[in-house]
Amino acid sequence: QKEVEQNSGPLSVPEGAIASLNCTYSDRGSQSFFWYRQYSGKSPELIMFIYSNGDKEDGRFTAQLNKASQYVSLLIRDSQPSDSATYLCAVTLSGNTPLVFGKGTRLSVIA
Amino acid sequence: GAVVSQHPSRVICKSGTSVKIECRSLDFQATTMFWYRQFPKQSLMLMATSNEGSKATYEQGVEKDKFLINHASLTLSTLTVTSAHPEDSSFYICSARQGNLAGYTFGSGTRLTVV
Repeated sequence: QKEVEQNSGPLSVPEGAIASLNCTYSDRGSQSFFWYRQYSGKSPELIMFIYSNGDKEDGRFTAQLNKASQYVSLLIRDSQPSDSATYLCAVTLSGNTPLVFGKGTRLSVIA
Repeated sequence: GAVVSQHPSRVICKSGTSVKIECRSLDFQATTMFWYRQFPKQSLMLMATSNEGSKATYEQGVEKDKFLINHASLTLSTLTVTSAHPEDSSFYICSARQGNLAGYTFGSGTRLTVV
């Protein structure tokens, strides 16, 4: 059974701080890892994806992957109130296989 | 970037009627599309994988005769909810991927309310 685990939160951080979101997955065969942001009533928006161990940075966002620990994280620097949303971690096997989602972490950035 | 268009965005229908939801890849061809359902305060649950030119693959517990999927072209997949009931009220979202090294793009979703 493929499972993706996330802390549901809410995670509250002050404006300007770093938000750290964590995710673990059960299937060691997972190859691709994604972070999505979902605002209430909207569909998910892709933030970034990562395939290789280590860090990947894109603007204020950094994804970190550790396949040995089956762990992936997302750091949001200089958090803004507009970052307040639910963050979904998703993993997939190789190729065009469907995403398996975690339950999401609700982030609240306090002005 | 890859764009997936989904229509309608919102639909209200009477119990017992059928509703069709369209999902189009606008700037790429998608041999495979995915249909998800999301209930309030829950995560996305995969319903089925739609394959162009062949039958869809349904997840366990999803009734294939109730949720009809047609993927007749490389840019269009449709989901028809037949004989809708109030418990089918949910947020339905489609997704596709432009290449194996790209992210998965989601449509804007369809809010279905069955009354």
